[in-house]
Amino acid sequence: EQQVQQSPASLVLQEAENAELQCSFSIFTNQVQWFYQRPGGRLVSLLYNPSGTKQSGRLTSTTVIKERRSSLHISSSQITDSGTYLCAENQGGSAKLIFGEGTKLTVSS
Amino acid sequence: NAGVIQTPRHKVTGKGQEATLWCEPISGHSAVFWYRQTIVQGLEFLTYFRNQAPIDDSGMPKERFSAQMPNQSHSTLKIQSTQPQDSAVYLCASSKRETLYFGSGTRLTVL
Repeated sequence: EQQVQQSPASLVLQEAENAELQCSFSIFTNQVQWFYQRPGGRLVSLLYNPSGTKQSGRLTSTTVIKERRSSLHISSSQITDSGTYLCAENQGGSAKLIFGEGTKLTVSS
Repeated sequence: NAGVIQTPRHKVTGKGQEATLWCEPISGHSAVFWYRQTIVQGLEFLTYFRNQAPIDDSGMPKERFSAQMPNQSHSTLKIQSTQPQDSAVYLCASSKRETLYFGSGTRLTVL
């Protein structure tokens, strides 16, 4: 069965610290996306990163398909970054995304 | 562009009643997905359509759940004889290529 594991389950940071979130897959994939969700809020796509390194503002994702893992680096965290970050992947050829359990990030001042 | 629109935002049903959830995808998006989110199970895939055709319903509980996409502007998820374990936030998403755009969800509570 396809599984997506995320770590850590939760992370507490002081404002301006950096965050490193990890995602691993049980099988090979050709599509990795990172999403963000505020409590009670809509799931928002942050980055689509099937392989290599991709950056968007303070977010950097690195995906190593051969090692079945992806990471999301958040630099200079802000209080508004608090929320849950979810990693999702598909099995090659399918548009269906399977989600991890998420990493709950709390940034305080 | 209002994004993916889901109605109603909240629905409360009694055990055994039927619930129909609506989704309006972003115009021009060819794929529509349904997911269910609970604290215990997280995000679970239910089904998806491409160009209105059902492609994969492997996540659908077979007996009471059904989904349709009668035209390109809306999809429905119907749950017959709702049970308390069906209580969840039901999310609809659409995509043109790889990126999924989610709606705000319908919170279903079965009493």
